[in-house]
Amino acid sequence: GNSVTQMEGPVTLSEEAFLTINCTYTATGYPSLFWYVQYPGEGLQLLLKATKADDKGSNKGFEATYRKETTSFHLEKGSVQVSDSAVYFCAPGGSQGNLIFGKGTKLSVKP
Amino acid sequence: DAGVTQSPTHLIKTRGQQVTLRCSPISGHKSVSWYQQVLGQGPQFIFQYYEKEERGRGNFPDRFSARQFPNYSSELNVNALLLGDSALYLCASSLVGRDTDTQYFGPGTRLTVL
Repeated sequence: GNSVTQMEGPVTLSEEAFLTINCTYTATGYPSLFWYVQYPGEGLQLLLKATKADDKGSNKGFEATYRKETTSFHLEKGSVQVSDSAVYFCAPGGSQGNLIFGKGTKLSVKP
Repeated sequence: DAGVTQSPTHLIKTRGQQVTLRCSPISGHKSVSWYQQVLGQGPQFIFQYYEKEERGRGNFPDRFSARQFPNYSSELNVNALLLGDSALYLCASSLVGRDTDTQYFGPGTRLTVL
């Protein structure tokens, strides 16, 4: 079945630093790809998604591009803020209409 | 519009007991999925329902069951609770449960088994 490997955290950055969180997946076919974010004490929120190869998802300054040739969907942001501190989950779609989540990457941004 | 709602927020049970968790999807959404999130891990898929039919099931024992009602709300039941069932149980709704559909998550029910 489909699976995902996500960069392990925690990741600690200073404010305004560049962020990359790596995500690679294995899948039969070309699943939709999602990034979700979980702020402390809250539920999961969709951050961005891409549904086909070469699509770029973007939201709140975050971007990720669906790379079919490398089966990757790396999350990037040019300048992180303290408010971006959260746990980030990469999640390809599964064969049952479900999401397959990685272990999550905890990001801490220091002022 | 209201988001996905779940009840109760927190629950404490003892081993061997049974529990029922409830979920109301976003208005207009016909598919509901359930996930288990153990502390420090990513959510794991339990069930997906669409139009009251089970469409998918994850690798969970038969102690876990669910159903969806005509109004598209859903219940997750867990029998013979084990300590390892302690987790955050998340419900997500989507339009029709397709691969491309965004799943919108509720705040979860925190289950503690003593």
